Parts: sequence; structure tokens; C-alpha cells
Amino acid sequence: QVQLVQSGSEVKKPGSSVKVSCQASGGTFSNYAITWVRQAPGQGLEWVGGIIPLFNSVTYAQKFQGRVTISADESTSTAYMDLSSLTSEDTAVYFCARVTSGSYYFNYWGQGTLVTVSS
Amino acid sequence: EIIVTQSPATLSVSPGQRATLSCRASQSVNSNLAWYQQKPGQAPRLLIYGASTRATGIPARFSGSGSGTEFTLTISSLQSEDVAVYYCQQYNNWPPLTFGGGSKVEIK
Repeated sequence: QVQLVQSGSEVKKPGSSVKVSCQASGGTFSNYAITWVRQAPGQGLEWVGGIIPLFNSVTYAQKFQGRVTISADESTSTAYMDLSSLTSEDTAVYFCARVTSGSYYFNYWGQGTLVTVSS
Repeated sequence: EIIVTQSPATLSVSPGQRATLSCRASQSVNSNLAWYQQKPGQAPRLLIYGASTRATGIPARFSGSGSGTEFTLTISSLQSEDVAVYYCQQYNNWPPLTFGGGSKVEIK
């Protein structure tokens, strides 16, 4: 059974950066894409980007290009999302999620990490 | 970018009655559409993929239909535990992967 466990809540100042981790257990880590999705308070789901660890292939939503870095450490089965130049609009719950097959729908989700940006 | 639009925003349904949710894509996504259920404070849960295939462990009262640009999620007999927000997501043409704005299902 695949499980994704994310790092804990963060409170950050505007202009700073945050790095959220997502550790996978069960299944083969490298072969399947992991994606990051965020949800602002009371809002819907927004795709941030994703990575296929085996190929170190990364794709970002254009909205976050230049501000987000997604990486993976195969030795620890952990994916990371690093978001910089934070503003209050980045306050959200950030979820990692993993595909089940070659198609990009997500059967496995982390518990979410609340990132609060406040001065 | 493919825009995904869901309707209605909120649906109130009596227990045991049918709930029908709609999802429309701005261009064809073939059958590459998924549905998720999200309860407060929880991560989304995959219900349907490939427009009509139920994910593992999903009750048979949930069904999906459609292809191209028009899709429907039906809950045949609403249970109290089905109160949630439902999202559709297209994965045919990306980046970006895109989600609809969500439909909230309430008990009448």
C-alpha cells in the first residue's frame, strides 16, 4: 500500500522560501510521477508541477515558473517542493500526490502541508 | 490551457435521491477525465478515472459518464457520508493539469 507522508506546517515571512517534503513508502518510488497541488483557504485545487524521479523530468505550471523547484531523492523516496518569493497569496495547503499508471490522475495523496505566509 | 468548468456550485439533495454533477472542458479531453471527492480537512480521494472507471474501493453508487467536452458524475442514492466537494480534473492536454472549481453536495 502506497503512503505519502508530508512535512509539517510552516509559517513564513513574505519574500522568504519554503521547502515541503513528501516521503513515499510502499511501491516503487522512481517509476511514478509525483505532483504537487495546492489549495488556498476555501478555494479549489491548483496544480503546481510534478516530477518523474526515474528521469528527473520536471514540469511546472507556467504561473509558478521561476519561483518553484521540484526535486526528488530516490535514496530516501522523498520528493520536495521549494517555493520562493512567498506572498500572502501563497498561503495554502500543499498536497503531494502520485500517479498509479502512466496517466496523470492521482490515486495516492499526502495529508497536506499548511503553509502560512504572514508578516 | 484547458479550462474546466463545473456546475452547479452547490447541490442540495435528499438522502436516497440522485445527485448529478456536470463538468465541461473548453476543448476535447477525450476520456482523460478524473473525479475526486474531498471532505473538510482531508486530501482529495480519487473516485473515477478515464471518465467512467471507478477507482478501487469506490461504491457502485458513484458513476461517471461522458467524453470529449461534457462529463457527468452521478451519485445514484445519496448517503450522508457523500457530503463533500467534488472536483473534476483533465489530464489529456498538459501542462498544466487543470481542475474544475468544484461542486459542493449537501443534504437537503
